[in-house]
Amino acid sequence: SQELEQSPQSLIVQEGKNLTINCTSSKTLYGLYWYKQKYGEGLIFLMMLQKGGEEKSHEKITAKLDEKKQQSSLHITASQPSHAGIYLCGGFTGGFKTIFGAGTRLFVKA
Amino acid sequence: NAGVTQTPKFQVLKTGQSMTLQCAQDMNHNSMYWYRQDPGMGLRLIYYSASEGTTDKGEVPNGYNVSRLNKREFSLRLESAAPSQTSVYFCASSPRQRNTGELFFGEGSRLTVL
Repeated sequence: SQELEQSPQSLIVQEGKNLTINCTSSKTLYGLYWYKQKYGEGLIFLMMLQKGGEEKSHEKITAKLDEKKQQSSLHITASQPSHAGIYLCGGFTGGFKTIFGAGTRLFVKA
Repeated sequence: NAGVTQTPKFQVLKTGQSMTLQCAQDMNHNSMYWYRQDPGMGLRLIYYSASEGTTDKGEVPNGYNVSRLNKREFSLRLESAAPSQTSVYFCASSPRQRNTGELFFGEGSRLTVL
């Protein structure tokens, strides 16, 4: 079973619409990371959240970590075709291991 | 900057054949990792190397061996490939000796075992 659950598994949105992807951990995390993967390519680091209640933004993407550090949401405002890809959350629980969610496939219709 | 470079990008093997995936990073990072990505499973850690000269098992090490040749290079070997090892393999590196999640990934190696 996944230690990090992502929802939804896939998402199709019309260009210009907002969307949210969620990531939930069964354990308290020392850090929560969001990555984007373009289809057939490697993963690009987007953001790192470490403190409960922390929120970060990069261009039109905002990520938040809840106070208990077990849940994060990634919000995209006014989606564009360039936002299409697979979004993965990664959670650091200590040691050398970063666990990953199964990913959310985002499709943006022009 | 090349970052993390993996070779080959694509490979088809027959069951029982062996092969080595190569990974090199030019960022002077201490830690290096091998993950596999399967549909619906996310990324799973196969092996990692916290620093030059050390390697340790991750979540799914069976059927694989690794070598940290020097600080730059970390290779993954399949001694006797099985269809269950059909996957996309990613090498990653981290600037810190302890994994804090800030990973830099290669573009992946797509392996098919027939």
